[in-house]
Amino acid sequence: DIQMTQSPSSLSASVGERVTITCQASQDISSFLNWYQHKPGKAPKLLIYDASNFETGVPSRFSGSGSGTDFTFTISSLQPEDIATYYCQQYDSLPFTFGPGTKVAIK
Amino acid sequence: QVQLQESGPGLVKPSQTLSLTCTVSGDSISSGNFYWSWIRQPAGKGLEWIGRMYTSGSTDYNPSLKSRVTISVDTSTNQFSLRLASVTAADTAVYYCARERRVEWIEMFDYWGQGILVTVSS
Repeated sequence: DIQMTQSPSSLSASVGERVTITCQASQDISSFLNWYQHKPGKAPKLLIYDASNFETGVPSRFSGSGSGTDFTFTISSLQPEDIATYYCQQYDSLPFTFGPGTKVAIK
Repeated sequence: QVQLQESGPGLVKPSQTLSLTCTVSGDSISSGNFYWSWIRQPAGKGLEWIGRMYTSGSTDYNPSLKSRVTISVDTSTNQFSLRLASVTAADTAVYYCARERRVEWIEMFDYWGQGILVTVSS
């Protein structure tokens, strides 16, 4: 299985601040990576697919980049409604695997 | 707007079979290039992909669970189901159903249910 790691595991930032989360795959997965937002009690939401493509309706403050084994997810200006846990997920090979998540809080 | 909703018992006894159903609304389960998947999250742990089924009937399962898992689709009721046999406390988790969209080489879970907590306990 491809192992996914994320850092940090949690972070606290001020409203308007730039937030960056990294995701690393245990082997080359090209661009086969998605990012999800998960709020407690809600359905997870797809934000970014294929490493850098926006899902329809996703605010432009969210972005993704990277390829190979190293990926980055950025919130350019943190908003109160962005409080959630963010997960990366690889689809290079089965079984699909997820990162452990990064919990984002407001400072 | 596509919506998915999990349903089933919230408590299952050890060694029994966990059975969950996902009801899809807003679109036909047999339309489009989609897989229908189950994913779970034990408390305090990460997300684990369980498996998926295409409407053609083909399935893929996580090797770690393959011997115990069955996923099926019922196009007449627009539902798909998960059966996990011989459960133990390690199977206690929030279970999510999700639609996997495939566009050329790109695969993504574009719609998820809210999840259902299943506890394995006597």
